[in-house]
Amino acid sequence: GENVEQHPSTLSVQEGDSAVIKCTYSDSASNYFPWYKQELGKGPQLIIDIRSNVGEKKDQRIAVTLNKTAKHFSLHITETQPEDSAVYFCAASKAAGNKLTFGGGTRVLVKP
Amino acid sequence: NAGVTQTPKFQVLKTGQSMTLQCAQDMNHEYMSWYRQDPGMGLRLIHYSVGAGITDQGEVPNGYNVSRSTTEDFPLRLLSAAPSQTSVYFCASSYGQGVFYEQYFGPGTRLTVT
Repeated sequence: GENVEQHPSTLSVQEGDSAVIKCTYSDSASNYFPWYKQELGKGPQLIIDIRSNVGEKKDQRIAVTLNKTAKHFSLHITETQPEDSAVYFCAASKAAGNKLTFGGGTRVLVKP
Repeated sequence: NAGVTQTPKFQVLKTGQSMTLQCAQDMNHEYMSWYRQDPGMGLRLIHYSVGAGITDQGEVPNGYNVSRSTTEDFPLRLLSAAPSQTSVYFCASSYGQGVFYEQYFGPGTRLTVT
């Protein structure tokens, strides 16, 4: 089955700096890669996703890149703010079905 | 819309006890699923359903049962709780399957088995 590795497990950045989280996946058939943000005491919430026919996608301060050849994808957060502090999860899925395989998560702390 | 709701928020069980975690959604979503979240392991799929009357196993199904009698509800049953089932459980739903519909997660149930 699919295996998703996520690094780093914790990330501390100064407000205004950029944060980068990287994930690798094992199944070359995966072609949907969402990113979720989980705030304390809440369920994960989708923040951005990318499909295999796209190499990069951007939404305001967040962007995701995908390298299908190397089987890795990354989340980039620019101009970080204290409200970006949360746990972030990457995930991978194949075309059929909605079964997601998640990475282990990254706890991001933005220091004011 | 209330979205995805889960009850209870917290639960403590003794080893061997049984219980049902409730999940409901009011978005008329066909696809529903249960995940467990353990430190450093992300979320792992327990069971999922593609519609009323249809369920299937995920990555970690042992010790859990599900049923889907209505579109709205997808309860998760622990038949004989074990300490290894101590975790945070999330229910999720999405409009359909086969294409990339966003999954909406509930607030979670924190379960402790002593």
